Amino acid sequence: EAQVTQNPRYLITVTGKKLTVTCSQNMNHEYMSWYRQDPGLGLRQIYYSMNVEVTDKGDVPEGYKVSRKEKRNFPLILESPSPNQTSLYFCASSSIRFNEQFFGPGTRLTVL
Amino acid sequence: AQKITQTQPGMFVQEKEAVTLDCTYDTSDPSYGLFWYKQPSSGEMIFLIYQGSYDQQNATEGRYSLNFQKARKSANLVISASQLGDSAMYFCAMREVTDSWGKLQFGAGTQVVVTP
Repeated sequence: EAQVTQNPRYLITVTGKKLTVTCSQNMNHEYMSWYRQDPGLGLRQIYYSMNVEVTDKGDVPEGYKVSRKEKRNFPLILESPSPNQTSLYFCASSSIRFNEQFFGPGTRLTVL
Repeated sequence: AQKITQTQPGMFVQEKEAVTLDCTYDTSDPSYGLFWYKQPSSGEMIFLIYQGSYDQQNATEGRYSLNFQKARKSANLVISASQLGDSAMYFCAMREVTDSWGKLQFGAGTQVVVTP
């Protein structure tokens, strides 16, 4: 089954404790991206990657890191999480045609 | 600057009626793509429909159609014959191809409630 998976689905952590949210897709997509969703703001793009070793900033990259060492994986790293990073996070992938984007199920992160 | 505007925060629609969700966008890029997504209360994001700026015809996918008015920079989603399962948040999004190929920007969304 074609899918984007994210782990963990739910995470409660404390300020400053480094964490990684994993994202993996099995569709051989070149493009992958991370978004955060906050009430009233829609989804905002954090980082995206157009292929292995190629990443670029979205609209809200501060406080986040990403890497794309393999085509299928695109982890999101929060080196020192803060409460304002409490949000719902989505990973997504797309082929190079980019006329459709597949989303993962989301990760709900709470930073205390 | 906000590039995608959805002016309807929420709306009620009766089952079996058609509903139009408004989306206007702002871009100077001649090449762009427009997307609509559905987010039910369970939280997942479901792709509905895509329209490219050079597509000659309005996109359609089953009960979903996109009313694309390029000169007005509007890309309204039309859902025909609403069903209870259409109750969800709907997001419009845009990708500008020339200047920032990988960036996708979303509107704030419209909450649709379908009533029996």
